[in-house]
Amino acid sequence: EPEVTQTPSHQVTQMGQEVILRCVPISNHLYFYWYRQILGQKVEFLVSFYNNEISEKSEIFDDQFSVERPDGSNFTLKIRSTKLEDSAMYFCASGMGGTGELFFGEGSRLTVL
Amino acid sequence: QKEVEQDPGPLSVPEGAIVSLNCTYSNSAFQYFMWYRQYSRKGPELLMYTYSSGNKEDGRFTAQVDKSSKYISLFIRDSQPSDSATYLCAMHQAGTALIFGKGTTLSVSS
Repeated sequence: EPEVTQTPSHQVTQMGQEVILRCVPISNHLYFYWYRQILGQKVEFLVSFYNNEISEKSEIFDDQFSVERPDGSNFTLKIRSTKLEDSAMYFCASGMGGTGELFFGEGSRLTVL
Repeated sequence: QKEVEQDPGPLSVPEGAIVSLNCTYSNSAFQYFMWYRQYSRKGPELLMYTYSSGNKEDGRFTAQVDKSSKYISLFIRDSQPSDSATYLCAMHQAGTALIFGKGTTLSVSS
């Protein structure tokens, strides 16, 4: 069964460092998303990506964040100058159409020290 | 007022019980309503998807949407220990991002 894969599963970084989280969406999906979940809190939308550009972003997704689809398979989230409050589980998701039928990866846990 | 409200629980029931999980929302423009299940330290997994008002049944699961009351429900019949997880309601309008509730943690004891 096709699935969304994410790497790394866990990354520990020092405050101020840059982090890149990687995702391989399901191959025939057209819409790609990043969500995050701070421990004990709700799953929060960060950004959606369609047709090689950002289609929507939340208030959380400021200049510290960027996304890229460098080739036909990978979808990356870059976090520059990480802060303690960036510590969270980051989920990549993909879908066929612009509906809420999303397939999520297992997540990348980011710990900022 | 938060966009999507969901009682976090925890909710504990014995095996075989009927479980009712609920969410309320404030944005009347929401058209698509989902229930996701999330096991500990895993990604959300889509359970049910409903467009607009009405009921939808899939095995032991029934999703209900009442747009007039801005209220959605998920019923689980004959609950099993394997149903123990966090259940997230989520919703959106066409062309916009999915907004999640905080999730209700369910524990089914055998």
